[in-house]
Amino acid sequence: TQLLEQSPQFLSIQEGENLTVYCNSSSVFSSLQWYRQEPGEGPVLLVTVVTGGEVKKLKRLTFQFGDARKDSSLHITAAQPGDTGLYLCAGDDYQLIWGAGTKLIIKP
Amino acid sequence: KAGVTQTPRYLIKTRGQQVTLSCSPISGHRSVSWYQQTPGQGLQFLFEYFSETQRNKGNFPGRFSGRQFSNSRSEMNVSTLELGDSALYLCASSLDRGRSEQYFGPGTRLTVT
Repeated sequence: TQLLEQSPQFLSIQEGENLTVYCNSSSVFSSLQWYRQEPGEGPVLLVTVVTGGEVKKLKRLTFQFGDARKDSSLHITAAQPGDTGLYLCAGDDYQLIWGAGTKLIIKP
Repeated sequence: KAGVTQTPRYLIKTRGQQVTLSCSPISGHRSVSWYQQTPGQGLQFLFEYFSETQRNKGNFPGRFSGRQFSNSRSEMNVSTLELGDSALYLCASSLDRGRSEQYFGPGTRLTVT
């Protein structure tokens, strides 16, 4: 059974701090997607990474796909309260494999 | 372009009843996937439909079923509801395959009492 493990499960930090969350697997994925979900809403796609070693930036968010395409990280610089939410990763391998998510709270 | 819509947004049912949830995908999207989300289990894949055919199915009992219509709109049905079926049910559409980027609706919050 393929698994995507996300860590940490929960993170609460002050506004302005930096943070990194991880998405790890023993399986190779053809691509990996990151989503953010706010309370009471569905997840919203942030980015898709495809190539091993690929780095994509979305304003203060930096996404990296591991060289072996088994893991990914999301780094947020100078976190803001608007970054609060559940961050989910999903690996593409015949069907999407979902991680359990990292619940992020940014305190003002 | 309008997003994915789901109806109803909230639903309260009692054990033993059945429920039907509806999803309208983004115009032009042919794939619709359904997920169950609970605090304990996270996002669990139910099934995916493409061109009115079920292409993939998750590990859920036969009480959970779905269908897709020729206009790509989809419904899911849960029969003989159990307390453990209380969850947020999310529908997502994608342009082609269910593996590709998913566009989620706001979900239907089902509470079983």
